[in-house]
Amino acid sequence: EAGVVQSPRYKIIEKKQPVAFWCNPISGHNTLYWYLQNLGQGPELLIRYENEEAVDDSQLPKDRFSAERLKGVDSTLKIQPAELGDSAVYLCASSSGQGYNEQFFGPGTRLTVL
Amino acid sequence: QKEVEQNSGPLSVPEGAIASLNCTYSDRVSQSFFWYRQYSGKSPELIMSIYSNGDKEDGRFTAQLNKASQYVSLLIRDSQPSDSATYLCLINAGGTSYGKLTFGQGTILTVHP
Repeated sequence: EAGVVQSPRYKIIEKKQPVAFWCNPISGHNTLYWYLQNLGQGPELLIRYENEEAVDDSQLPKDRFSAERLKGVDSTLKIQPAELGDSAVYLCASSSGQGYNEQFFGPGTRLTVL
Repeated sequence: QKEVEQNSGPLSVPEGAIASLNCTYSDRVSQSFFWYRQYSGKSPELIMSIYSNGDKEDGRFTAQLNKASQYVSLLIRDSQPSDSATYLCLINAGGTSYGKLTFGQGTILTVHP
């Protein structure tokens, strides 16, 4: 079974530029999560999808961050415009059911904003 | 008080010893609890989950949950140098399936030969 796929793995951009991250979850997993992880910290949830519906986006900075999960499979997280403080690892995870199910993480995208 | 707190590290144990990692949480209605391992530069890997009070064993790993005292712990028996990593607890708080998901800050474990 293939794991969670993310791309790109690394991205370096200038501040104020836009950037997008893509995630393909494990086949059959209807729940998808985007996390942000700063160095030395635990991941912080940005948004959680159940199929196409964003069921928890309370921690997503909506002035510059947006996400979509068309057709309930792949998802894209976008930042526009990027700020220096957005430099972090962006992790995508998926799970097979609602609520309590175990999450499996992709390799992450390391973003550097210069 | 932080919603989820892990014992401050780094934790250093000799090879073959038992490593004990702890996590406390503030929301009494927390439903599900997970332990992840994260090697440097890698993404978190699931070790195990626990939902009910008591112990749950999987190989050299034992998770212990005490909802009354609001803590969950992970014991690693016969620690190996390959266990050296950051250990993260994840807690699904609240009484619904869409409860708030919160990771602890992580505890760095070093197992020395």
